[in-house]
Amino acid sequence: GQNIDQPTEMTATEGAIVQINCTYQTSGFNGLFWYQQHAGEAPTFLSYNVLDGLEEKGRFSSFLSRSKGYSYLLLKELQMKDSASYLCAVMDSNYQLIWGAGTKLIIKP
Amino acid sequence: GAVVSQHPSRVICKSGTSVKIECRSLDFQATTMFWYRQFPKQSLMLMATSNEGSKATYEQGVEKDKFLINHASLTLSTLTVTSAHPEDSSFYICSARDQEGQGETDTQYFGPGTRLTVL
Repeated sequence: GQNIDQPTEMTATEGAIVQINCTYQTSGFNGLFWYQQHAGEAPTFLSYNVLDGLEEKGRFSSFLSRSKGYSYLLLKELQMKDSASYLCAVMDSNYQLIWGAGTKLIIKP
Repeated sequence: GAVVSQHPSRVICKSGTSVKIECRSLDFQATTMFWYRQFPKQSLMLMATSNEGSKATYEQGVEKDKFLINHASLTLSTLTVTSAHPEDSSFYICSARDQEGQGETDTQYFGPGTRLTVL
């Protein structure tokens, strides 16, 4: 079956760095997405990785290793507004999105 | 974990026809379901919030007569794109909120999406 795993919850301190991991097993691969979702709001697109390596975009970076079925989202210089759920989703060979359950990130002062 | 399915996964239709997309929560009850539209590498755009047994709440700019939503049961919501046109071609994603504590009360589970192509 198809499966996406990410931690349920993480806690970090304001100003610090946090890495949210995502492992996947899917039938085919057409890219991996990271979204940020604040409570009561629609998910916001953060990144898309289809090739191995690190993509940096400001304070956020996303890494992909297709051979390991692994990705992580790295958040630097954490701010209180980064408290949200972070969703990992993989597009499979049929261009269907397989979603992780999301990681709730709690930022403490 | 909770599973949300969508049917069909992809559909191609002619301009002017109507297309119905189903969203089902397979192992939990969802009094609230959400319909999103996604353009490539962009954020999900919330179209409407579907509440079981009542009228859907549409976001500003979404035509309620064009995108008909019916949430007739606790496990099924449907989105009908009426008189579809090529500009309606998109990836439509639904999500369902688990109301019975499998996760937190505001946990949303997303469907795999339906790719609509209007010729």
